[in-house]
Amino acid sequence: GIQVEQSPPDLILQEGANSTLRCNFSDSVNNLQWFHQNPWGQLINLFYIPSGTKQNGRLSATTVATERYSLLYISSSQTTDSGVYFCAVHRTGNQFYFGTGTSLTVIP
Amino acid sequence: DADVTQTPRNRITKTGKRIMLECSQTKGHDRMYWYRQDPGLGLRLIYYSFDVKDINKGEISDGYSVSRQAQAKFSLSLESAIPNQTALYFCATSVPGTSVNEQFFGPGTRLTVL
Repeated sequence: GIQVEQSPPDLILQEGANSTLRCNFSDSVNNLQWFHQNPWGQLINLFYIPSGTKQNGRLSATTVATERYSLLYISSSQTTDSGVYFCAVHRTGNQFYFGTGTSLTVIP
Repeated sequence: DADVTQTPRNRITKTGKRIMLECSQTKGHDRMYWYRQDPGLGLRLIYYSFDVKDINKGEISDGYSVSRQAQAKFSLSLESAIPNQTALYFCATSVPGTSVNEQFFGPGTRLTVL
């Protein structure tokens, strides 16, 4: 299967700070998604980004498929950003593979 | 209304009991998945189905079975529950086709096996 590594595993930020989360994967993929799991356990789609850059409000993501990594940027963090951020990848004909996540805590 | 629903949302059961978790979707997607999440870990695939007649094992299928009753319904069964099956279970769907395969998740079922 495809190995997916996320870093850092844990991150504590002061409200208003910026952060960068990284996802490395071991093989070529057709699909990459970023999810936010909120403290109630719900998984929320953030980005579908197999390549290129996308932005949604304070969040943006960049995937460099040829170098097998993706970055999630969070700017001006808020306490509601707390939770776990997962990266998941997929290659045609294969299953989805998830990383173990980055746990983010934003303190007021 | 939510596009992907799971029932029940929480369940406590005893070792040896048979349990069924149900998933329904209104997104019209052909592909459906069952995942398990343990504390501090990512999601691991149990079973997936690309259409009603297609069922495939994921990486941790032992101790589980599934049924795809219709395009919109995909059920997960634990024939004889054991405590290490205590976890958060997610159902997901994805867009058919090979170039776009974005997944959408249900709210999860928290299962406790005593």
